[in-house]
Amino acid sequence: DTAVSQTPKYLVTQMGNDKSIKCEQNLGHDTMYWYKQDSKKFLKIMFSYNNKELIINETVPNRFSPKSPDKAHLNLHINSLELGDSAVYFCASSQELGQGLTSNEKLFFGSGTQLSVL
Amino acid sequence: DQQVKQNSPSLSVQEGRISILNCDYTNSMFDYFLWYKKYPAEGPTFLISISSIKDKNEDGRFTVFLNKSAKHLSLHIVPSQPGDSAVYFCAASKDNYGQNFVFGPGTRLSVLP
Repeated sequence: DTAVSQTPKYLVTQMGNDKSIKCEQNLGHDTMYWYKQDSKKFLKIMFSYNNKELIINETVPNRFSPKSPDKAHLNLHINSLELGDSAVYFCASSQELGQGLTSNEKLFFGSGTQLSVL
Repeated sequence: DQQVKQNSPSLSVQEGRISILNCDYTNSMFDYFLWYKKYPAEGPTFLISISSIKDKNEDGRFTVFLNKSAKHLSLHIVPSQPGDSAVYFCAASKDNYGQNFVFGPGTRLSVLP
């Protein structure tokens, strides 16, 4: 009964490949996110998305694209993988974009996907 | 430009003693702060938060102190337990909207039995 689950946990691939990471949340939340934890361990937001609005961090290359088939899922597609894309990617969810977060509406994170590009 | 800094990558504390994790920020517009805890192979989980209208928030063994003039907050854990061993992330935001949180690099706490 994991609240936010993402697959795969580990992903090893060659440069130039296209890959996807899947994320599902069973919390009934309206907003989902993708974060990247870089080599310096900073967690940086890549996207936030609900059924009304996609907010993209302007530093994210357009090789990265979120795809949401429904509000419980937000998958991350990465085209033409590069060495620098190697990182841990975390999916997260919260109650609703634009409503602010209270202590009851904090971010819930998945367990992460470690991507290694060779 | 690291807007949220956690200058101690690691900290070791004896069981039963106090753990103090520090966080500094540079953006004076930040007014909502959170601490997240992360075990290996798991995602971060929310621990405690504080808004700028307060200077202290307490939840059981965990207390967060905020000093806005110094742009500094700290997390106190007392008494520390071995199960507290984890990486602790400080996060800050200008509002409390999830997409605007800026995270620090984390401090790895080891509580020694």
